[in-house]
Amino acid sequence: DAGITQSPRHKVTETGTPVTLRCHQTENHRYMYWYRQDPGHGLRLIHYSYGVKDTDKGEVSDGYSVSRSKTEDFLLTLESATSSQTSVYFCAISERTDPYNEQFFGPGTRLTVL
Amino acid sequence: GIQVEQSPPDLILQEGANSTLRCNFSDSVNNLQWFHQNPWGQLINLFYIPSGTKQNGRLSATTVATERYSLLYISSSQTTDSGVYFCAVKISSGSARQLTFGSGTQLTVLP
Repeated sequence: DAGITQSPRHKVTETGTPVTLRCHQTENHRYMYWYRQDPGHGLRLIHYSYGVKDTDKGEVSDGYSVSRSKTEDFLLTLESATSSQTSVYFCAISERTDPYNEQFFGPGTRLTVL
Repeated sequence: GIQVEQSPPDLILQEGANSTLRCNFSDSVNNLQWFHQNPWGQLINLFYIPSGTKQNGRLSATTVATERYSLLYISSSQTTDSGVYFCAVKISSGSARQLTFGSGTQLTVLP
């Protein structure tokens, strides 16, 4: 199994509060991704990183920001959480450049915004 | 954007039965993966298969990229095969880096 951990694994927070989710990898892979999973939508990309300090937006980036100051860590921040951001968040990593970038997923973080 | 359709959406099998899951996509792709999401929510890589055929134990997959579909075969199903099976693709053109997921096939294997 790819060495990917996510923290926290579960979080309950209130609307308007800031939240930061952490993804940590031990594989030294270049690419890291944040997805959210919602019923009826499968997984959708929020943001991704193609190197330290290099990030770009995905399909559903509004309301989210990311940072990557080290190869092994990719942080997802909800500046002011809303109920629509209640979801399961998955981090993924991949090693190679396009197009041969098989992605491996972390265990997920279940976030509930009340 | 690219459309990824999986069929059937739900499948109930008796243990020991065989099944075929299908993934159709609307554009040329250079990356296709099959995942199994187990009842605990973990996403497990099954195949990285942008073209051709691969086999791993009771599972095999075939992607016909020119006809824009992929098939996942499960033989002699077991209760531990239950869960959701996702197909995910990345288009060949442009700079898009994301995997686009289908909505999944919910498989239930009964003892």
